[in-house]
Amino acid sequence: EAQVTQNPRYLITVTGKKLTVTCSQNMNHEYMSWYRQDPGLGLRQIYYSMNVEVTDKGDVPEGYKVSRKEKRNFPLILESPSPNQTSLYFCASSLSGTGRYEQYFGPGTRLTVT
Amino acid sequence: GNSVTQMEGPVTLSEEAFLTINCTYTATGYPSLFWYVQYPGEGLQLLLKATKADDKGSNKGFEATYRKETTSFHLEKGSVQVSDSAVYFCALSGNSGGSNYKLTFGKGTLLTVNP
Repeated sequence: EAQVTQNPRYLITVTGKKLTVTCSQNMNHEYMSWYRQDPGLGLRQIYYSMNVEVTDKGDVPEGYKVSRKEKRNFPLILESPSPNQTSLYFCASSLSGTGRYEQYFGPGTRLTVT
Repeated sequence: GNSVTQMEGPVTLSEEAFLTINCTYTATGYPSLFWYVQYPGEGLQLLLKATKADDKGSNKGFEATYRKETTSFHLEKGSVQVSDSAVYFCALSGNSGGSNYKLTFGKGTLLTVNP
């Protein structure tokens, strides 16, 4: 089954404790992206990747890191999480980044930072 | 930059009522337009899309027409069902390259359909 998977689905952590949210897709997609969803703000892009070893900042990259060493994986790293990073996070992938293709979303990771 | 404005919710309808959710956009060039739906506790999934002016996207009884002259992509359904209760997001993706590969979303409209 074609899908985007994220782990963990739920995470409660404390300020400053490094964490990684994994994202994997099995569709051989070139483009991958991370979004955060906050009430009243909709979804905002954090980082995206056009292909392996190619990443770039989205609208709200501060406090996050990403890497794309393999085509299928695109982990999101919070090196020193803060309470303002409490949010619902979605990973997405697309055949390419040309804009015409739909993005497939993972089920989301609900992160709480205390 | 690109932006999407969609009608604020929540929207509450009775089953079999007609649905319209308005969406207008600002973008350079010729963006692709999408409606995504988010059911409770799930990720977003594509509902329909249109990639050029006057295209009509349709799926599951929902329709939206890409109107470049009014920069709009309103979502409509003739007869909603309880199972349509969800949050609906209008989104655009620029096609002019550079930093426009992201999806720019509206803030979402919560639809509740009562039996």
